[in-house]
Amino acid sequence: GQNIDQPTEMTATEGAIVQINCTYQTSGFNGLFWYQQHAGEAPTFLSYNVLDGLEEKGRFSSFLSRSKGYSYLLLKELQMKDSASYLCAALDSNYQLIWGAGTKLIIKP
Amino acid sequence: DAEITQSPRHKITETGRQVTLACHQTWNHNNMFWYRQDLGHGLRLIHYSYGVQDTNKGEVSDGYSVSRSNTEDLPLTLESAASSQTSVYFCASTAGEAGELFFGEGSRLTVL
Repeated sequence: GQNIDQPTEMTATEGAIVQINCTYQTSGFNGLFWYQQHAGEAPTFLSYNVLDGLEEKGRFSSFLSRSKGYSYLLLKELQMKDSASYLCAALDSNYQLIWGAGTKLIIKP
Repeated sequence: DAEITQSPRHKITETGRQVTLACHQTWNHNNMFWYRQDLGHGLRLIHYSYGVQDTNKGEVSDGYSVSRSNTEDLPLTLESAASSQTSVYFCASTAGEAGELFFGEGSRLTVL
């Protein structure tokens, strides 16, 4: 079956760096998305990777290894406003999104 | 600015009642989706549409229906609401198959 795994919850300190991992098993693969979701709000797009490697976008970077079925989201210089859930989603061969349950990131001062 | 809006944002209803959640987008996107989000689960796809008059079932479609009579709207109907359908519902749209999803603000539905 198709599956996405990511940690349920992580805690980090303001100003630090955190890496949120995601592993996926899908029928075919057409890319991997990361979304941010603040409590009580809608998800918002962070990144899309379809080729292996690291994509950097300001304080946020996303990495993909297709051969390992693995991705991570790297958040640098953490700010309190980064406290949110981070959703990993893989696009399968039918262009259907398979979603992970999300990682709740708690930032402590 | 283009946007996607849902209504109502909050609704409480009784078991057995019919409920319709509205979704309206001004992005002119062909692809529209309805998801539900529950604690401990990822977003689960209910129904989706790739254009006018096109509708498809997602992984949790039982008890739900949609219609697509124009590009802008994809209303979600619960024919006979059940307590298991208490959830937060998100509508989303995208321009293409691998495009970024734009989400509505969500509709919180409680079925008593």
